[in-house]
Amino acid sequence: NAGVTQTPKFRVLKTGQSMTLLCAQDMNHEYMYWYRQDPGMGLRLIHYSVGEGTTAKGEVPDGYNVSKKKKQNFLLGLESAAPSQTSVYFCASRVQGGSTEAFFGQGTRLTVV
Amino acid sequence: AQTVTQSQPEMSVQEAETVTLSCTYDTSESDYYLFWYKQPPSRQMILVIRQEAYKQQNATENRFSVNFQKAAKSFSLKISDSQLGDAAMYFCAYRSMEGSQGNLIFGKGTKLSVKP
Repeated sequence: NAGVTQTPKFRVLKTGQSMTLLCAQDMNHEYMYWYRQDPGMGLRLIHYSVGEGTTAKGEVPDGYNVSKKKKQNFLLGLESAAPSQTSVYFCASRVQGGSTEAFFGQGTRLTVV
Repeated sequence: AQTVTQSQPEMSVQEAETVTLSCTYDTSESDYYLFWYKQPPSRQMILVIRQEAYKQQNATENRFSVNFQKAAKSFSLKISDSQLGDAAMYFCAYRSMEGSQGNLIFGKGTKLSVKP
């Protein structure tokens, strides 16, 4: 069982370039989330999804878009990368209900130069 | 909106000793969940322990236990018999029971060092 898999693990972008981060989970979880982690800031929610096709903005959505065409895949897009988007990005998923644990991917370290 | 505060950016403990990491939160909700996550240098987020706010009994997982004070909105993590492998960033997190979002709200983290 792979759990939550993020692709890629590392990436360097030039300012203005675009890219897509892929998150895939094989646990049939209904909820999926994208967070960013910055030094001294903890993890902050970018976007989230419930079920198939439903997405919504989190705390820091500006500059990002998301796509959820399949229940198990959640894509995070940067249309025009900026240095302020240099961060570590985490995808997480969990099953609906109760105090269920959120399972995290291994993170993607993105540097925008 | 809910907030989570970890007032100790860094902590240090001697191997085999006990250390307590602090966490306070602010919410107007009566039912919610609280979590402690560990992030070692590998960057992987690992659940350490969870607490349901409606349960008065403090959660315990082996060497890890919490002191949950609902009225004070405090949720501290105690690590007993500290081991070198406990060295990591520790994040306190809150999750609401209400609404459909269900995301975790994190504190800024406490970096724990373990001295041999």
